Amino acid sequence: GAVVSQHPSWVICKSGTSVKIECRSLDFQATTMFWYRQFPKQSLMLMATSNEGSKATYEQGVEKDKFLINHASLTLSTLTVTSAHPEDSSFYICSAKKDAQNEQYFGPGTRLTVT
Amino acid sequence: GDSVTQMEGPVTLSEEAFLTINCTYTATGYPSLFWYVQYPGEGLQLLLKATKADDKGSNKGFEATYRKETTSFHLEKGSVQVSDSAVYFCALQAGTALIFGKGTTLSVSS
Repeated sequence: GAVVSQHPSWVICKSGTSVKIECRSLDFQATTMFWYRQFPKQSLMLMATSNEGSKATYEQGVEKDKFLINHASLTLSTLTVTSAHPEDSSFYICSAKKDAQNEQYFGPGTRLTVT
Repeated sequence: GDSVTQMEGPVTLSEEAFLTINCTYTATGYPSLFWYVQYPGEGLQLLLKATKADDKGSNKGFEATYRKETTSFHLEKGSVQVSDSAVYFCALQAGTALIFGKGTTLSVSS
């Protein structure tokens, strides 16, 4: 199998606080993981590519100081939304790529609401 | 830049009806094309894919053919079931990144 989990599945935080979202590949190693953001009735937009042991690669327009990505092990990547604001409210989805394969396996997503 | 356009939903069908969800793409080069499905409360799952022109991807009764001349990858199923109710995403991959369409919600009633 190829199962990817995310934690938490939903989170509510106050404006100005930070929140961390975890993405884990449960039964395989993933050198590369991806973070996407999805607005209601919109497509998934790639935010960044997370590489184990090195800095993440951010897509144009994504603030790297606001969306901190850490990929410290072959099964875990974290996304920290720092100083969150209501406009950061969204559905965040991660995916993981099996080493030596091209297919991405997706987590169930995390619903972030900033009040 | 590369992009994917798929038909707006929701699509509402009766069980055993024929399904088509249109998808067209814009890309430089020759991307791989995918259909993903997202069931309620679950992550995206790969439904089928095609990596070159005229390839046909198929899975669980769903089919899609990579049409380079019309830059299309329409999803079809001959007889839908209630269990097919989900959101369907068309996507292309050129390099590492996946580029998604907006998703089409399919609702099948018995």
